Amino acid sequence: DADVTQTPRNRITKTGKRIMLECSQTKGHDRMYWYRQDPGLGLRLIYYSFDVKDINKGEISDGYSVSRQAQAKFSLSLESAIPNQTALYFCATSERGDTQYFGPGTRLTVL
Amino acid sequence: SQQGEEDPQALSIQEGENATMNCSYKTSINNLQWYRQNSGRGLVHLILIRSNEREKHSGRLRVTLDTSKKSSSLLITASRAADTASYFCAPGAGSYQLTFGKGTKLSVIP
Repeated sequence: DADVTQTPRNRITKTGKRIMLECSQTKGHDRMYWYRQDPGLGLRLIYYSFDVKDINKGEISDGYSVSRQAQAKFSLSLESAIPNQTALYFCATSERGDTQYFGPGTRLTVL
Repeated sequence: SQQGEEDPQALSIQEGENATMNCSYKTSINNLQWYRQNSGRGLVHLILIRSNEREKHSGRLRVTLDTSKKSSSLLITASRAADTASYFCAPGAGSYQLTFGKGTKLSVIP
């Protein structure tokens, strides 16, 4: 089984809808991250969490919110999706902030 | 956190050749990591080199780090079609964040 899983893998939605992307990990890491990737660009950090009670905004948090339900689960919500949030979303985990382990990604399309 | 800049943006080579890609960064680091991303998939960690190391090997990968020039290079020897991917460097300054650049897109032609 994969260490970091993301659901759904693909999602098409309409402008204004609320969307939740979920991430689960079995690595036992405290730190979890959400990134987005746009075509031809690098990854940009949306939110990160050092533990269940610690949530921090990243570079591009506007329009997004997160919830850390447990050490192993970190979900990302788009409160009211808009077309420029169409992107590839990745969850990642790390133990101490060095090596990060990525999930397979969720391809989100907002029409 | 700081962003690394990979160069070249794209590289196309024949199978069996060596591929070299470079990374430059701006401020002092504790370590530097390289990641690979196959098309549309998650990044996979390849190698981490610490600031007090000059060279590190892992299989067909060789990474060098020159802290005086604030640069690193990733060499893939005897490339294979399966090496076709985008490669990203991530300079680490001891913070929690990794900032990824646009990457080098490597195409290995069979």
